[in-house]
Amino acid sequence: EVQLVQSGAEVKKPGESLKISCKGSGYSFTSYWIGWVRQMPGKGLEWMGIIYPGDSDTRYSPSFQGQVTISADKSISTAYLQWSSLKASDTAMYYCARRIAAAWLDYWGQGTLVTVSS
Amino acid sequence: EVVMTQSPATLSVSPGEGATLSCRASQSVNSNLAWYQQRPGQAPRLLIFAASTRATDVPARFTGSGSGTEFTLTISSLQSEDFALYHCQQYNYWPLTFGGGTKVEIK
Repeated sequence: EVQLVQSGAEVKKPGESLKISCKGSGYSFTSYWIGWVRQMPGKGLEWMGIIYPGDSDTRYSPSFQGQVTISADKSISTAYLQWSSLKASDTAMYYCARRIAAAWLDYWGQGTLVTVSS
Repeated sequence: EVVMTQSPATLSVSPGEGATLSCRASQSVNSNLAWYQQRPGQAPRLLIFAASTRATDVPARFTGSGSGTEFTLTISSLQSEDFALYHCQQYNYWPLTFGGGTKVEIK
């Protein structure tokens, strides 16, 4: 069974750093792209970027380029999304999802809620 | 960036009735469109890909249609579990883009 399991909810202060994770299982982790999607409170979905764990090829949506860093450790089948300096506007639910064949997103993680507040 | 526009923002429907959700792209995305369902408090779930192909275990009451710039998701005879937020997404161009969502609520 394909599963993407994300790390737990985080509460941080503005200016702090954060790294959240997404662990894949039940499939060949290095053979599929993993993407990250933001959902701000009460809003729709926003595509952030994607990584191919097989060779760490990473691409960012222009809106998120320079704002976050996406990485992966294929030895433990885990992808990451990180911030070096959080802002209150980063408060959102973040989902990882597996992208199939340069196309749609077929499996999603359960989401990680990030709250940034002073 | 391709802008995806969903309408209406909210659709009020009685259980057992049908619903039609629309998604429009700012330029042609061919048939490279997916629909996702997001129940309250849950992650999105793939419903439809390639504009009209149902994903695994998706009931036949969900039908996707369209190509180019105009797409429709039709739900026949809404069940209680169908009241949710629906998102369309194009994957023809980078970056992938989503519509703003349509909330299907109980009338």
